[in-house]
Amino acid sequence: EAGVVQSPRYKIIEKKQPVAFWCNPISGHNTLYWYRQNLGQGPELLIRYENEEAVDDSQLPKDRFSAERLKGVDSTLKIQPAELGDSAVYLCASSPRTGKKDGYTFGSGTRLTVV
Amino acid sequence: DAKTTQPTSMDCAEGRAANLPCNHSTISGNEYVYWYRQIHSQGPQYIIHGLKNNETNEMASLIITEDRKSSTLILPHATLRDTAVYYCIVRVAGGTSYGKLTFGQGTILTVHP
Repeated sequence: EAGVVQSPRYKIIEKKQPVAFWCNPISGHNTLYWYRQNLGQGPELLIRYENEEAVDDSQLPKDRFSAERLKGVDSTLKIQPAELGDSAVYLCASSPRTGKKDGYTFGSGTRLTVV
Repeated sequence: DAKTTQPTSMDCAEGRAANLPCNHSTISGNEYVYWYRQIHSQGPQYIIHGLKNNETNEMASLIITEDRKSSTLILPHATLRDTAVYYCIVRVAGGTSYGKLTFGQGTILTVHP
């Protein structure tokens, strides 16, 4: 099994520039999550998808962040424009359909540095 | 989700058992206890979860007190590769908040040779 695949692994951009992160979940996992992890902190949920529907985006800063999961498989998280405070690791995770008690599988994350 | 309290850091000698405590005194009846760990530069990794009975898998054992207000994750024979941040999380099994893992600061476990 390939696991959750994220790209790029690292990204350095100047502030005010746009940036996008890509995630390919485990095959058959209907639920997909984007988390943000600041240095020295635990991850925080940004958005959760059930198939192609965003069912929890309450923590997503909608003025500059957007996400999509077309066809209910791959997902993209975008920031436009990026700010210095957006520097963090962006983690994608997936799990079987809601209702299962099993744990999530996380990707290795994308480390974003905004300069 | 209920809040958890963990020690900031712990040390363990290689080959010995690592016992990581977690307090979750406000846990509700429908909340499970989950443990994840995060090795440097990787995403969190699921370890084990339980409701009220003790659980064991190939990675670890989970001991939950009878009142469910605390639990202990046990790594029976710690190795250097177990050095990581360990997160204890309580999470509902259903409802609209299902699916949200609320991570705290976790415990930094350092395994020494």
